Parts: sequence; C-alpha cells; structure tokens
Amino acid sequence: GQQLNQSPQSMFIQEGEDVSMNCTSSSIFNTWLWYKQDPGEGPVLLIALYKAGELTSNGRLTAQFGITRKDSFLNISASIPSDVGIYFCAGQLRSGAGSYQLTFGKGTKLSVIP
Amino acid sequence: KAGVTQTPRYLIKTRGQQVTLSCSPISGHRSVSWYQQTPGQGLQFLFEYFSETQRNKGNFPGRFSGRQFSNSRSEMNVSTLELGDSALYLCASSPGDREVYGYTFGSGTRLTVV
Repeated sequence: GQQLNQSPQSMFIQEGEDVSMNCTSSSIFNTWLWYKQDPGEGPVLLIALYKAGELTSNGRLTAQFGITRKDSFLNISASIPSDVGIYFCAGQLRSGAGSYQLTFGKGTKLSVIP
Repeated sequence: KAGVTQTPRYLIKTRGQQVTLSCSPISGHRSVSWYQQTPGQGLQFLFEYFSETQRNKGNFPGRFSGRQFSNSRSEMNVSTLELGDSALYLCASSPGDREVYGYTFGSGTRLTVV
C-alpha cells in the first residue's frame, strides 16, 4: 500500500526558532494535508493543499504541495510553547466509490524549550 | 456548531471480548471514517460509511466492522479482542458528497485490551 515517509521523527528547538518538517511518498496524491495532534485529542487540520506547487500560509505556518505531487513540507516560524505536539502529514486520494481516504505519515514530535 | 463526538473516551476490555464504539458526526455531515492509531503503526484507515453504506475499507481483519444509522451516527465493533487491538480509535466526519480538503476528527476512544 501507499507509504508516507515523514521526517524528522522528533525535534527539540528553542522558543523563537523556525521549524521545518517534510513528507515524501512513493505515490501521487490529489491533496496534501497537515494536522496537529495534542495529547489525548484527535488531529486538528492546520493546512490543506490541493494543487501541485501550491504554497499556503496559516499564520506562522507555511506549507507547500510538491511539484511532483509526491511530497510536501511544513514550516513553522518563530515557534512558541503552544506549538508543542505531534504534526502529521496526510495524503488524500479519491477512491472509485467517491470516498476520500487519508494516508498518514508517522508524525513529527515537536518539543519547544522556553 | 458541535464537533465530532466519540463515546466512550476510555475503555478497558479483556482478550476475547467484543467492544462497540460510537461516533456522532458534525450535524449535516453524512460521511464517517474510522482510523486506528497505535505507536507502532501510526494512523491507519479502517473504513468509511456514507449514507448508511460502507464506501471504502482498509486492510483490517473481519473482526473489525461498523455500521451507520440514518441519522449518520456510526458505530464500530471489534469482536474477539486481541492485545494488539489496544489503540486510540478515531472517527472523522465530512459532508461526504463533495470533495473536502481534510476531515474533522473526534477526540477518540482509548481502548486497552488486557
């Protein structure tokens, strides 16, 4: 099946630093999504990308949909303590039945040192 | 607008038992997807229901089943529980009848099998 390789697995950064994480896939996706998950909660959608080459921002977050449609990256600028959590990339593909299935990366655990 | 509600939040079961988890989607959403999250395998797609019909299914054994009711609420059932079924089970809702960029997840049900 499809696999998403997300890196790095974990990061320890100082408050105020910028962060970058990325995902690569062996398959093409129609849409790339980035989610954040806090302990004990479900993933929350941060950014959705639906066009190859698209660059989208949401506050301090910026994400890009790779030209090949097989990769995406997420940048967080000027990190703050509440950025702590696990970030997941997900590729979305439409099945023949009209269903949209998400394939997730294994996550990047972000720790911010005040 | 109420979010996705999953009940119960926590569950402890014994090997060999069966369990039923419940998910109420966002009002007006007709699609409910289920995901299993474990430290080793990450987030994996179980199945999706739309208008009371299973529209898509992941690679899980037949012990995992689900259904959806006319009010779009969904239940997931796992029979003959195994230790490896211990996981966070997440459901996600979407309108289901058009492409959406991302899904809204519930907070999950933490299942522990002893």
